[in-house]
Amino acid sequence: EPEVTQTPSHQVTQMGQEVILRCVPISNHLYFYWYRQILGQKVEFLVSFYNNEISEKSEIFDDQFSVERPDGSNFTLKIRSTKLEDSAMYFCASSLQGYNSPLHFGNGTRLTVT
Amino acid sequence: SQQGEEDPQALSIQEGENATMNCSYKTSINNLQWYRQNSGRGLVHLILIRSNEREKHSGRLRVTLDTSKKSSSLLITASRAADTASYFCATCPSGTYKYIFGTGTRLKVLA
Repeated sequence: EPEVTQTPSHQVTQMGQEVILRCVPISNHLYFYWYRQILGQKVEFLVSFYNNEISEKSEIFDDQFSVERPDGSNFTLKIRSTKLEDSAMYFCASSLQGYNSPLHFGNGTRLTVT
Repeated sequence: SQQGEEDPQALSIQEGENATMNCSYKTSINNLQWYRQNSGRGLVHLILIRSNEREKHSGRLRVTLDTSKKSSSLLITASRAADTASYFCATCPSGTYKYIFGTGTRLKVLA
């Protein structure tokens, strides 16, 4: 069964550094998402992406964050200048349709900012 | 309350018993979904129920949706130790293309 893959599985970075988290969604899916989960807490919506542009974003998704689909397969989340509070598990997801369609999640990238 | 709040926060039952988890939300929705998350892993989709549906079954799972009360329940029958995980409801508010996840219920099934 096709799956969403995320790399790296764990990223350690220093405060103020830029990080890029990578995702390969399921190939025929059209909608892409990033979520984050701070350890043991709720899963928070960051951004949705369709047709090469952001559909919706949360208040968390400020100017420090950006997303890109640089080619036909990858979907990336960039954090320009990481803060300690950015430490979390970041999940990428994709879906065939915008709604009434299940989300397929990757296994996440654990980001640790020191 | 938040959009998507599960109750109880934690549940511990014996293998073979049924587990019921509830979800409440605030806005009108396109659909509601339930997901499962094993510790440290990604979320796995379990079931989707549309706003015009009242009940749905999938194997040992039964989901109900009451849009008048803005609530849903997930019933897992004949639970197994392998059902131990966190369970989340996710709602897609009407007019949006984002899913808002609840706070989750941590289910522990004792063998």
